[in-house]
Amino acid sequence: AQTVTQSQPEMSVQEAETVTLSCTYDTSENNYYLFWYKQPPSRQMILVIRQEAYKQQNATENRFSVNFQKAAKSFSLKISDSQLGDTAMYFCAFMNQGGSEKLVFGKGTKLTVNP
Amino acid sequence: NAGVTQTPKFRILKIGQSMTLQCAQDMNHNYMYWYRQDPGMGLKLIYYSVGAGITDKGEVPNGYNVSRSTTEDFPLRLELAAPSQTSVYFCASVPPGREGQPQHFGDGTRLSIL
Repeated sequence: AQTVTQSQPEMSVQEAETVTLSCTYDTSENNYYLFWYKQPPSRQMILVIRQEAYKQQNATENRFSVNFQKAAKSFSLKISDSQLGDTAMYFCAFMNQGGSEKLVFGKGTKLTVNP
Repeated sequence: NAGVTQTPKFRILKIGQSMTLQCAQDMNHNYMYWYRQDPGMGLKLIYYSVGAGITDKGEVPNGYNVSRSTTEDFPLRLELAAPSQTSVYFCASVPPGREGQPQHFGDGTRLSIL
């Protein structure tokens, strides 16, 4: 079974600075998908970014980018120019190819952006 | 489109009571999911469905039942509520077609069992 590990329970960053959240996963599959979700205090689950494992190019979405290292099974999220609204829980999630699109989540990292 | 709608948003149950958490989506999504999120933890899959009439167990199915009689609705039933089922429950769906699409989540139901 796949597992997802987020080793940083909590992190903080100053407004306008850059922060990187770590995620590692364990799988024997070659094709899969990885996601980062944001959960603000409102409890909503908001997609931040998506990566296809068969694409070597790292995904980017505005201030959010990933460092995808397939051989190392690592999928870190970089947030540039941090904003107060980025304060939230961030979850890394794994989806197997051909696995009914089910997600396996890490335990999350609580990010606080300080003014 | 309303997206994924969950009702109720909050509920308090007594031990041994039963209830149904409702989930509906109006996006014609085939795949639907129920997750639970315990305090300080990530989401864990309870049950999922790949279409009307088809359901399957996830990682933590004990104490729950589901049905999928229509594409739109995927209710989750707790038969004998236990304190261990105190959690936040999320319903999600995925559009048909291209594989690996992100799931669309409802706003969650916070359930407390006392």
